[in-house]
Amino acid sequence: EPEVTQTPSHQVTQMGQEVILRCVPISNHLYFYWYRQILGQKVEFLVSFYNNEISEKSEIFDDQFSVERPDGSNFTLKIRSTKLEDSAMYFCASRGGGVTNTEAFFGQGTRLTVV
Amino acid sequence: DAKTTQPPSMDCAEGRAANLPCNHSTISGNEYVYWYRQIHSQGPQYIIHGLKNNETNEMASLIITEDRKSSTLILPHATLRDTAVYYCIVRVAPLISGSARQLTFGSGTQLTVLP
Repeated sequence: EPEVTQTPSHQVTQMGQEVILRCVPISNHLYFYWYRQILGQKVEFLVSFYNNEISEKSEIFDDQFSVERPDGSNFTLKIRSTKLEDSAMYFCASRGGGVTNTEAFFGQGTRLTVV
Repeated sequence: DAKTTQPPSMDCAEGRAANLPCNHSTISGNEYVYWYRQIHSQGPQYIIHGLKNNETNEMASLIITEDRKSSTLILPHATLRDTAVYYCIVRVAPLISGSARQLTFGSGTQLTVLP
């Protein structure tokens, strides 16, 4: 069964460093998402991506964040200068196109720890 | 998207049916009911969705009341592996191409399946 794959599963970084979280969405899916979940809190939407551009973004997704789909298979989230409060689980999701493929499929997440 | 209300926690005996309620009294005509679950900080997993008819798949059944103001997710024979947080999400289906339509997660219901 096709699945969304995220790497690494766990990343530890020093405050102020840049990190790139990687995702391989399900092949032939058209919509891509990043969500995050701070420990003990709700899953929060960060950004959606369609047709090689950002479709929607939340207030959390400020200038320190960026997304890219560099080669048609990977979908990356870059955090330029990490802060302690960026420590969270980051989930990538993808969805097929059309009016019937409305459910999103999530990866297992990357646990980011900023020290 | 309409707001949903779910009980914070429920228990269920292994092998019995788990019935998880969701109230969405402000749902509008073009909004679907989606159910996802999250097993211990793993990525959310899609379960089922529906508009107004009852739906069934290999994982669960979804019963939507005639007035669509509430719904129930039924896991027919709960197992220990069904212990998870279950999220009921109401969302307009992305009928327009390019409409990414992210998911808004609430606090969900913590279902504990007891041996």
